[in-house]
Formats: sequence, structure tokens, C-alpha cells
Amino acid sequence: KAGVTQTPRYLIKTRGQQVTLSCSPISGHRSVSWYQQTPGQGLQFLFEYFSETQRNKGNFPGRFSGRQFSNSRSEMNVSTLELGDSALYLCASSSGQGAGNTEAFFGQGTRLTVV
Amino acid sequence: AQSVSQHNHHVILSEAASLELGCNYSYGGTVNLFWYVQYPGQHLQLLLKYFSGDPLVKGIKGFEAEFIKSKFSFNLRKPSVQWSDTAEYFCAVHDYKLSFGAGTTVTVRA
Repeated sequence: KAGVTQTPRYLIKTRGQQVTLSCSPISGHRSVSWYQQTPGQGLQFLFEYFSETQRNKGNFPGRFSGRQFSNSRSEMNVSTLELGDSALYLCASSSGQGAGNTEAFFGQGTRLTVV
Repeated sequence: AQSVSQHNHHVILSEAASLELGCNYSYGGTVNLFWYVQYPGQHLQLLLKYFSGDPLVKGIKGFEAEFIKSKFSFNLRKPSVQWSDTAEYFCAVHDYKLSFGAGTTVTVRA
């Protein structure tokens, strides 16, 4: 079956702009999580959506937001971009039924560069 | 929330050498543990996972890991590495989210 698809793969934005990233989970998966990966901070959890509801949230400012649609596709939005937002943004999907005893499948990520 | 500590930042090995990567998490209770691998230019892939049962778990590509509850550890091992094992390895624990370690870059020299 098709894996997790993230679009676009690469983005270059200017400070102050906003950006929207998209994630299509594996068919049948209802949980979508977003992570930020940087060389300095590693992989950090942004938020998780399950059945269109934000179920968990990490320690990121309110400029980072997300949503999930009825078909489980998810978007994340970053407003008022800062240079420090440059990172690889990863989306992971899972069935989401358990408390963590399900495997998360990751997409290839969107590489965001803020200039 | 859990925190995860990986002992090595960068490991350099020759082919056929044995590999062991250390991983500790911060507190006990019921934990779900994972090792993920990120090959150059590729997405994160699951190597193996531990939810319950036999503390010695086997994963793909000859990797295995041992869960030691008393030590809060979940160390990854491979008896004989290949050049193709060059990658970054991440240990992760799931409480309400996946918490990742900082990663270990493994370089295998032919």
C-alpha cells in the first residue's frame, strides 16, 4: 500500500511569510503526527491529530498550527516565519487505536528553508 | 514526558564488526520502545519495537534489541555490520507521543 506522502518536498520562504505543509497518511490510518527535525534539537514533537481532533501538542509557539480533514489528510501551518523555523518537517501516520503500541510510519518530509 | 538518551553521537566501524548502540529512557511504567533508522536521503524506517513479552526483540536486517526494565535501557545490537548499515539510528519511547533520542550516526567503512 502507498506510504505517507508529504508535499511539497522542498520550500524556500522569506521571514515573516507563512507556509502550509501537507501530509496524506496511509489509507486507513486515523492518526497523524508532525515532528520538526533540526541538527541542533533533533526530532521534536509538534502535535498529533486523530479523527480531526488535536489529541496532543508539543512545546511549540502558537505560530505552529495544524488541522486534519475527514479523510485523515493533515496540514500544518507556520505563520510569521523565523529563520529558526528552517528544518525538516516530518509527518507520521498510525492507526492511532492504542496508547502507543502501534507503529508510526514516516513520510520523507518537507525541507523548509527560511531566508 | 519521557526523555531518551543515546550514548554515542557518532560510531565508526569496519565491515563485519559488531555494533551496539545504547539507549536509556527516563522513567518506568509501561513503555513502548522503538528503534528507527534513517538511511542517507531516505525517510525514517522502523527497525524494531518492544511493547511487551520477550525482552529480546528481533528486527529487520539482522538487528536486535534488549529491553532491560531495571536499567531503563533498550540497547540495539547487530553482530556483523555491512557498509549498507551506514545510517542514523534513533531510539524512541512512546508515552503520549514519540520522544526521540538525539540519534547516533553510524559509519561503516568497507
